[in-house]
Amino acid sequence: DAMVIQNPRYQVTQFGKPVTLSCSQTLNHNVMYWYQQKSSQAPKLLFHYYDKDFNNEADTPDNFQSRRPNTSFCFLDIRSPGLGDAAMYLCATSRKGQGYQPQHFGDGTRLSIL
Amino acid sequence: GQQLNQSPQSMFIQEGEDVSMNCTSSSIFNTWLWYKQDPGEGPVLLIALYKAGELTSNGRLTAQFGITRKDSFLNISASIPSDVGIYFCAGRRDQFYFGTGTSLTVIP
Repeated sequence: DAMVIQNPRYQVTQFGKPVTLSCSQTLNHNVMYWYQQKSSQAPKLLFHYYDKDFNNEADTPDNFQSRRPNTSFCFLDIRSPGLGDAAMYLCATSRKGQGYQPQHFGDGTRLSIL
Repeated sequence: GQQLNQSPQSMFIQEGEDVSMNCTSSSIFNTWLWYKQDPGEGPVLLIALYKAGELTSNGRLTAQFGITRKDSFLNISASIPSDVGIYFCAGRRDQFYFGTGTSLTVIP
């Protein structure tokens, strides 16, 4: 009964080869987030969607894009992955009404770059 | 970006001992959250705090929202081996900001 589902759990790609990570949710939350987490570090916010409104963090590389075709799904596209992009990518959701409710995380996709 | 300082960075304790960790910031937050992350998994929400001074328990875990709104504390009583993991605080203002994490090791 996982509520935030990330696929795949593990992804291997080649240097420079585009890759897409997916996230789906059954919580009907209106906010979806993508985080990058490197070993022994805190999650770093890349961007988030509030409904269809896209909010990019200032220091998120241009290499990273996102799509949210509907409430339930959100995708992270890495156009030309470099070795430094190897990390765990976490999707999270929350509900924003009168303030934000806590975030719920998926189990992440671990991305390796060859 | 916003800095949340979490301490200690790591802890090694005997099973049965109590644990305390805290998170501090130079800025005020509206919400404080505590998460536990196991290796290869996503963070799991433990406790959410919404008001300054609020004290909330979840089983053996107790967390407090600091009265200044710039800090929060997490206590774990009578630790057990499955408490092992990395604990993150997170504060919310305009968005969520994460602390640097506390790695907990429980020695049986």
